[in-house]
Amino acid sequence: DTAVSQTPKYLVTQMGNDKSIKCEQNLGHDTMYWYKQDSKKFLKIMFSYNNKELIINETVPNRFSPKSPDKAHLNLHINSLELGDSAVYFCASSPRVTGELFFGEGSRLTVL
Amino acid sequence: GQQLNQSPQSMFIQEGEDVSMNCTSSSIFNTWLWYKQDPGEGPVLLIALYKAGELTSNGRLTAQFGITRKDSFLNISASIPSDVGIYFCAGEDMEYGNKLVFGAGTILRVKS
Repeated sequence: DTAVSQTPKYLVTQMGNDKSIKCEQNLGHDTMYWYKQDSKKFLKIMFSYNNKELIINETVPNRFSPKSPDKAHLNLHINSLELGDSAVYFCASSPRVTGELFFGEGSRLTVL
Repeated sequence: GQQLNQSPQSMFIQEGEDVSMNCTSSSIFNTWLWYKQDPGEGPVLLIALYKAGELTSNGRLTAQFGITRKDSFLNISASIPSDVGIYFCAGEDMEYGNKLVFGAGTILRVKS
C-alpha cells in the first residue's frame, strides 16, 4: 500500500488549460503539503493544510488553489496554466504541523 | 524565501569511499532532517535530528545536529552504487513559524 499517492504521475497540457493533481495519504497524518520542485531540483513549499485547514500559503499565484475535502486528501487545482508552471509537484504528509515529511512520488507537469 | 546553504553541490566518488556533506543556516533550527531522492521518486527521510549536538546513525549513514543549531552534516561510509541520488538537508526554521526549509541538494554519483 502506497503511503502517499499522487495522480497523475505525468501531465502534459497546453498553456491556458486548467488541470488538477490529486493526493491521498493513508498514514493517518493530520498535516498535508504541496511542494514544487523546479528544474534545478530546488524544493519549495506551496501550501500546508492541518486537519483540512490552510496553515501555510506561500507566495503562490492565485491560479493555484488547494482543496482538502478531508484530512487524508489534498488536491491541487491550477487554472490558466503557464509555461513556468512546468515542474514536478510533490504532495507530502506529516504526523504534526512541522517536522518529518513523507513524500509522494511526484507529478511531473509539462506545459507546452 | 530563505534557503539553507548545502555543500557540496555535487560529488563524483569511487565506490568504497566515504562521503561527507553539510548544511549551514543563519537561523537557529529546531530540527534537522536529511532526505534522499532517487530519480523519478519523491524524497525519502534518512535521518531526523531533534537536539543540538545529537549524533544519529542509520546503517552506513551518520548525521549530526550542530551545537550552534545552525548546521548539520551527513556522512556516508563505504559508498556503494545504490547511494547515487540527490541528498537534501531540511531544517525547521524558528524564525519562520517552524516551516521546513530545504537545502539545494547534493548530487552524489558513485563510480564502481
